[in-house]
Amino acid sequence: IAGITQAPTSQILAAGRRMTLRCTQDMRHNAMYWYRQDLGLGLRLIHYSNTAGTTGKGEVPDGYSVSRANTDDFPLTLASAVPSQTSVYFCASSAGEENEQFFGPGTRLTVL
Amino acid sequence: KNEVEQSPQNLTAQEGEFITINCSYSVGISALHWLQQHPGGGIVSLFMLSSGKKKHGRLIATINIQEKHSSLHITASHPRDSAVYICAARSGGGADGLTFGKGTHLIIQP
Repeated sequence: IAGITQAPTSQILAAGRRMTLRCTQDMRHNAMYWYRQDLGLGLRLIHYSNTAGTTGKGEVPDGYSVSRANTDDFPLTLASAVPSQTSVYFCASSAGEENEQFFGPGTRLTVL
Repeated sequence: KNEVEQSPQNLTAQEGEFITINCSYSVGISALHWLQQHPGGGIVSLFMLSSGKKKHGRLIATINIQEKHSSLHITASHPRDSAVYICAARSGGGADGLTFGKGTHLIIQP
């Protein structure tokens, strides 16, 4: 692994289904983030984690949950997907909260 | 909450032209980030600056703290510079202190 990876690359999901987007980084960064990117709205923070074992809510957290069991992994779960969660999801990490962020390649999610 | 505005929203230019993308913000900041998003979707950090100017190759980023304004310049533009350029302002501590602009879609024609 080099940098930060996300899986799956894309997914089509029926409304009401549960879905977990995976994110893994090998840079030993303390901070990790989940953003969604929608046309005309730019990047918006969903949840973040300053360090393993802690998480926090961003600008648009409703309908999403995260966990940070270790430094490397930061999965994002949609408990019951709705069409408004159709978006491109980016995971990012940084050494600290105020450092440069490194982004994963993104996951394109479509909820029908 | 900081309001971050970018201009222009869209820009089409000829290869070789000098490009300027602007970013203004409403609240004092500790740092300003410039990001590049290529058509394939990947996002790369270009600069993080809190004062003055930074240069990397043909890219130059400047910031005027008093005027709450930053610019990204591209010299001798090339079609491979075609991308969406995003500025983000950090106006507070904490992981949720970054506010993103909506991006400038740049197309460089050969």
